[in-house]
Amino acid sequence: AQSVTQLGSHVSVSEGALVLLRCNYSSSVPPYLFWYVQYPNQGLQLLLKYTTGATLVKGINGFEAEFKKSETSFHLTKPSAHMSDAAEYFCAVSDFGNEKLTFGTGTRLTIIP
Amino acid sequence: GAVVSQHPSRVICKSGTSVKIECRSLDFQATTMFWYRQFPKQSLMLMATSNEGSKATYEQGVEKDKFLINHASLTLSTLTVTSAHPEDSSFYICSAPHGGLAGGAKNIQYFGAGTRLSVL
Repeated sequence: AQSVTQLGSHVSVSEGALVLLRCNYSSSVPPYLFWYVQYPNQGLQLLLKYTTGATLVKGINGFEAEFKKSETSFHLTKPSAHMSDAAEYFCAVSDFGNEKLTFGTGTRLTIIP
Repeated sequence: GAVVSQHPSRVICKSGTSVKIECRSLDFQATTMFWYRQFPKQSLMLMATSNEGSKATYEQGVEKDKFLINHASLTLSTLTVTSAHPEDSSFYICSAPHGGLAGGAKNIQYFGAGTRLSVL
């Protein structure tokens, strides 16, 4: 069975500071990993995904994540936070050949002016 | 990019009534769609997989007679909450995969904007 753990349900950073949202996964097979962002009362938007190949993945809005198999991690980073980054972020995993997503509990990102 | 439309965005109903939520893929066909439920400040929980032309597959613990799913065409899936009660109040979100082989994990899930159901 797959699982996703997001450390820190709430993260606050100052505008312009580094954003780091942590995600660890558990999977018995090579995983596909995703980060989604959710704005209030909206659906989810894909930020980035890792399937195979390069372990450093770049996404939209300046975000990137690195797949580290040895650490079973897929942390999300952004060098400089912007006010518009304030949202809920979800890490998700799916198995190779399986469309079902298992989500983490989410991290609410607050940006301090 | 692929767009998934979900309607209505918000619905308030009386206890005991049934509510239908629609999920449409606007510019692509989806033989499979997924329905999630999200409680306040919590993650998304997969409720069921909607399969075009066949029965939906429900996750463990989800009452199939309570949450009726119909996937009558390649662009439309509906979720009907039957005899709704206050405990059914939640945010319901659908998604449809697109961009890879059918049934493959390389598909990207495109999400609807969600439906907030409030049962009085």
